[in-house]
Amino acid sequence: ETGVTQTPRHLVMGMTNKKSLKCEQHLGHNAMYWYKQSAKKPLELMFVYNFKEQTENNSVPSRFSPECPNSSHLFLHLHTLQPEDSALYLCASSPRDSTYEQYFGPGTRLTVT
Amino acid sequence: ILNVEQSPQSLHVQEGDSTNFTCSFPSSNFYALHWYRWETAKSPEALFVMTLNGDEKKKGRISATLNTKEGYSYLYIKGSQPEDSATYLCAFYYSGNTGKLIFGQGTTLQVKP
Repeated sequence: ETGVTQTPRHLVMGMTNKKSLKCEQHLGHNAMYWYKQSAKKPLELMFVYNFKEQTENNSVPSRFSPECPNSSHLFLHLHTLQPEDSALYLCASSPRDSTYEQYFGPGTRLTVT
Repeated sequence: ILNVEQSPQSLHVQEGDSTNFTCSFPSSNFYALHWYRWETAKSPEALFVMTLNGDEKKKGRISATLNTKEGYSYLYIKGSQPEDSATYLCAFYYSGNTGKLIFGQGTTLQVKP
């Protein structure tokens, strides 16, 4: 138990659906991250939020839309995804920037049909 | 393009063996090097965050060294146990960005009883 929770744990969606992934941390951290883990690829950063402000968008397609309403919650809104977007999506948090260790959630396994 | 390379890709050892893996990263603009352990069906768990050249950190039977001038870090496991079976990830944080960790592909360790 890392203190970072993610829901849902599994999600199957069609290409025309709209869904959201939720991440929550009660560690008092000020930075939150979305990562994507595709098969046989390194863990890939998608977005970084520091103190609720987005500070990094790693050239992510606009069909992925993050939202950080407060320092404890992070969402990833999904719409018109493609089958190649099927992956494990991990959320993480850290006290501040990446000189601190990151605490990861268990991930959401997404399948796009 | 910034790249983090880990070797070997996978490793099978017997219980009691000591082992080590390598993480190679760009030697310029270094800020921090992270090591994570990722067991199947669990969240990645931070082992170490290292920032100083020549640094050596230890947690139980696991230790890591850092050489920022030549761009490598070693992770050592002394007396491997079956519970050490996991994928070990390293991640590089370089100065001048806003929180982006670049991960290697990982070394998957299997310890046979």
